[in-house]
Amino acid sequence: GESVGLHLPTLSVQEGDNSIINCAYSNSASDYFIWYKQESGKGPQFIIDIRSNMDKRQGQRVTVLLNKTVKHLSLQIAATQPGDSAVYFCAENRHGSGNTGKLIFGQGTTLQVKP
Amino acid sequence: DSGVTQTPKHLITATGQRVTLRCSPRSGDLSVYWYQQSLDQGLQFLIHYYNGEERAKGNILERFSAQQFPDLHSELNLSSLELGDSALYFCASSVGGWRFSGANVLTFGAGSRLTVL
Repeated sequence: GESVGLHLPTLSVQEGDNSIINCAYSNSASDYFIWYKQESGKGPQFIIDIRSNMDKRQGQRVTVLLNKTVKHLSLQIAATQPGDSAVYFCAENRHGSGNTGKLIFGQGTTLQVKP
Repeated sequence: DSGVTQTPKHLITATGQRVTLRCSPRSGDLSVYWYQQSLDQGLQFLIHYYNGEERAKGNILERFSAQQFPDLHSELNLSSLELGDSALYFCASSVGGWRFSGANVLTFGAGSRLTVL
């Protein structure tokens, strides 16, 4: 079946280091991939998206890399801060007939930032 | 504040009961999506409404139903509740991005935490 999964359930990093959160997906038909951040007690918050015909996209302190050959997606956070502590989800978005825009989410990776 | 409002924030009820969760989408958004998040689980898609019409169903139980009203707010009805229904229920809205070329970025509310005892 279709799925978007994450390699590691928990990632612990030192404040100031770079973080890399990985995601594997199984469906090649996805048009977009989206990263969300969910802080404790809150709803998921959009971070960045990448279209399937791109390899890399940069935002403020974040970079998303897409490797379609191995169906792998990663989110890199530069100079990780305590405020980055959260659960990170990747999600798949598909266009086209029959797809109504729903996002298919992975299980999530918890990022813990040590001071 | 994301602009998506969900009520109630917390709800405790007993098995066999029925509850209604309410969602007001962000101003201008026509699509409403409902997701369930159980403990240590990802977000499971339940159902999608666009401008009052049901557009897609996911893993939604027959005991659950939803609707979107003319003013675009939506309600998720959960009946004959079981212990396993305890979860966070999220509503998300979007303009209706699958109809356009960009990513359909969903804006999520803060969720309704349901506890079934």
